Amino acid sequence: AAGVIQSPRHLIKEKRETATLKCYPIPRHDTVYWYQQGPGQDPQFLISFYEKMQSDKGSIPDRFSAQQFSDYHSELNMSSLELGDSALYFCASSLKWEGLPYEQYFGPGTRLTVT
Amino acid sequence: DAKTTQPNSMESNEEEPVHLPCNHSTISGTDYIHWYRQLPSQGPEYVIHGLTSNVNNRMASLAIAEDRKSSTLILHRATLRDAAVYYCILRDELAGGTSYGKLTFGQGTILTVHP
Repeated sequence: AAGVIQSPRHLIKEKRETATLKCYPIPRHDTVYWYQQGPGQDPQFLISFYEKMQSDKGSIPDRFSAQQFSDYHSELNMSSLELGDSALYFCASSLKWEGLPYEQYFGPGTRLTVT
Repeated sequence: DAKTTQPNSMESNEEEPVHLPCNHSTISGTDYIHWYRQLPSQGPEYVIHGLTSNVNNRMASLAIAEDRKSSTLILHRATLRDAAVYYCILRDELAGGTSYGKLTFGQGTILTVHP
């Protein structure tokens, strides 16, 4: 079965650079979530989209922005990168089922290293 | 968001049952109880969810206390592959609510399985 695809899997950037992370949800899934997991920490919710509209927002820095496109893939854009942005970034997708969100399927993550 | 409390770590032997507890004394009527797990170097993975009644699926069973203030994830026969961090998460499934859909990860239980 198709899974959530994230690219790139690894990314190395320098401070103050920009980065773009991509997420391709499971076919027919209409909701995308982004999470950040720092070293030794638990995943933290950043932002979500439902039917290409932002549906919820968590502790996402103003330097970060995201969007969901017409084909439902999503991109997380990160500017003015800081050392503290080094983390695993997970994308998850789900399908609204009878009006309720169902389980989320997570991708393998993108490991971002800022030097 | 209602909070959950889990033990930091638990150990089990292979092929033995494992009972992972979760306390959620401030749970609200619209909170579903979700369990996810994260294997080393992977994204979180859905395990099971429930509202009031006990639930079974191919991965595990979920036993929910009558007052819903606690629940237990049951792995019937632990395998080495079950070694992971297990997260108990409450999610408000009220359509249109501000916590609609996102997962709020707290400190999970690190499960170690011995051969």
